[in-house]
Amino acid sequence: QVQLVESGGGVVQPGRSLRLSCAASGFTFSSYVMHWVRQAPGKGLEWVAVISDDGYTKYYADSVKGRFTISRDNSENTLYLEMNSLRAEDTAVYYCARSLLLRCPEHWGQGTLVTVSS
Amino acid sequence: QSALTQPASVSGSPGQSITISCTGTNSDVGGYNYVSWYQQHPGKAPKLMIYDVTNRPSGVSNRFSGSKSGNTASLTISGLQAEDEADYYCSSYTSSSTRVFGTGTKVTVL
Repeated sequence: QVQLVESGGGVVQPGRSLRLSCAASGFTFSSYVMHWVRQAPGKGLEWVAVISDDGYTKYYADSVKGRFTISRDNSENTLYLEMNSLRAEDTAVYYCARSLLLRCPEHWGQGTLVTVSS
Repeated sequence: QSALTQPASVSGSPGQSITISCTGTNSDVGGYNYVSWYQQHPGKAPKLMIYDVTNRPSGVSNRFSGSKSGNTASLTISGLQAEDEADYYCSSYTSSSTRVFGTGTKVTVL
């Protein structure tokens, strides 16, 4: 069955960096567009970034552009999110999710919590 | 990219029907048939309920249906049940090739 398992979350100081990973299984990873979506505590969903199936095309939310980098390794069936210059407002549960082409995320992982605090 | 607008809360009695609206612009909801709806219970990951405006994934109850008119998409839950109590979010593809979520709606079953 389709599985997306995020890891790499934790507590990090403002201004520091963190890399999240998302291990995919149960489907042909290289055929799907992949997303990162986050949810601050008690708040709604916020779309963060998307990467094409071949990894060449990437788009970001304005709130993270220039600080976050999405990437993927299709040989390892893994999605990444490199987060730099972290701010308190980046504190959230980060979900990875897959979709086809122009569609919105369909299948989601369980999320990993990132807390930015001194 | 501004969030799509949803009502903060909607409520109904068991067996009733409720409708949640999701209003965007012609650069997102109105411009594409790539609107999805999600159900999220507390502490859980979102679950896809509707995709491409009207389509239900396998396993989702036919009590859930979607539609769109202009820049507003809607999710209707018919025959409301206790387990439908959750937060619901819409999402759309945008003209910038990004995605945008709605502000979220808390559904309460009275």
